[in-house]
Amino acid sequence: DTEVTQTPKHLVMGMTNKKSLKCEQHMGHRAMYWYKQKAKKPPELMFVYSYEKLSINESVPSRFSPECPNSSLLNLHLHALQPEDSALYLCASSQEGLSNQPQHFGDGTRLSIL
Amino acid sequence: DQQVKQNSPSLSVQEGRISILNCDYTNSMFDYFLWYKKYPAEGPTFLISISSIKDKNEDGRFTVFLNKSAKHLSLHIVPSQPGDSAVYFCAASAIMNRDDKIIFGKGTRLHILP
Repeated sequence: DTEVTQTPKHLVMGMTNKKSLKCEQHMGHRAMYWYKQKAKKPPELMFVYSYEKLSINESVPSRFSPECPNSSLLNLHLHALQPEDSALYLCASSQEGLSNQPQHFGDGTRLSIL
Repeated sequence: DQQVKQNSPSLSVQEGRISILNCDYTNSMFDYFLWYKKYPAEGPTFLISISSIKDKNEDGRFTVFLNKSAKHLSLHIVPSQPGDSAVYFCAASAIMNRDDKIIFGKGTRLHILP
């Protein structure tokens, strides 16, 4: 069982819909991450939150809006997505936002945009 | 431009033999390297890491070797077991550069044959 929980596991939405992806960890980690992974490609970093503050935004389009309500939760709000946004969205956490610490990944949300 | 390259998309190894997964990088600023393992429908799981001040790190059946001059690292699994069949991602970061991003390779799918 993964220690990082992502919901939902699968999501199908139309281009005009608004939905949210959720991620939760109870390991006391202070850094949380969103990655996007397309088929046969590596995970690509989207956002990093460190101590509940957004520390890295990898030039992600504004139709993706992250939110960190507290140190255990990370959301990704989706609005007006495009078909090319269909991918696996992975959440991860680490003790602190330092890249020499292993990240613990959730199992991802597989998103399909119609 | 890929900064972390895993040139073998797949590898098949007989059970009990040694599996060797290779990874090359281009950015000489990278100073920390990690290997992750991913099963289908699950998120990546951290396996083992190595700092650039070392050339070898061992953990049970897993050993990572780093050749800084060649900008090359490899993961050795011995003996290989059926449960090792998965996709293996190499990842790198530049912590001395205060860059908290991890760059992943495309992954190598390892098949352990009975």
